[in-house]
Amino acid sequence: DAMVIQNPRYQVTQFGKPVTLSCSQTLNHNVMYWYQQKSSQAPKLLFHYYDKDFNNEADTPDNFQSRRPNTSFCFLDIRSPGLGDAAMYLCATAQFPSTDTQYFGPGTRLTVL
Amino acid sequence: AQTVTQSQPEMSVQEAETVTLSCTYDTSESDYYLFWYKQPPSRQMILVIRQEAYKQQNATENRFSVNFQKAAKSFSLKISDSQLGDAAMYFCAYSEYTGTASKLTFGTGTRLQVTL
Repeated sequence: DAMVIQNPRYQVTQFGKPVTLSCSQTLNHNVMYWYQQKSSQAPKLLFHYYDKDFNNEADTPDNFQSRRPNTSFCFLDIRSPGLGDAAMYLCATAQFPSTDTQYFGPGTRLTVL
Repeated sequence: AQTVTQSQPEMSVQEAETVTLSCTYDTSESDYYLFWYKQPPSRQMILVIRQEAYKQQNATENRFSVNFQKAAKSFSLKISDSQLGDAAMYFCAYSEYTGTASKLTFGTGTRLQVTL
């Protein structure tokens, strides 16, 4: 089945220690998104890639970076995690402009100690 | 900026009964899409139903239907014959097209509990 996969599902890191979260997709979609979802809150878009074109949201902290080496993979790098970065990170994909429906991965829950 | 409001943080429904979740949104656009997504505990977010703003007919998907009132900017979700598996957080979302993607703005969610 075509799907969006996130690894790891759970990640623990230390305050200030860089961490990378991974997302892959078999849908061959041209858009990949990263969302941050804090406890009991709505998902908040951090940035998205349209093919190799990176699009950052205006209020996304510089601490968050992303890479998309190919169509299938996208990474979220947090350079110096703070306690406030503990959250669920969701990856989603879509085929633009054919459809506006986004397909989500299961998320990675990040804990910062 | 577009905003999406879900005024019911929690709802409860008995199995086999019907429940309606409310959502309002604010936009100056005339063409857009609206969604309801379901996020079960510890599981991924999945699409429940979508509505295209230019379509007057309300979308339906099996037991799920919407009441889309464009002038009132209201988009409620009705779940009929509720099942235990419907228990989840439900997010209403508004989608707008940018030059490179469609972007979702989510409401704060409604946690639905289904009781026997």
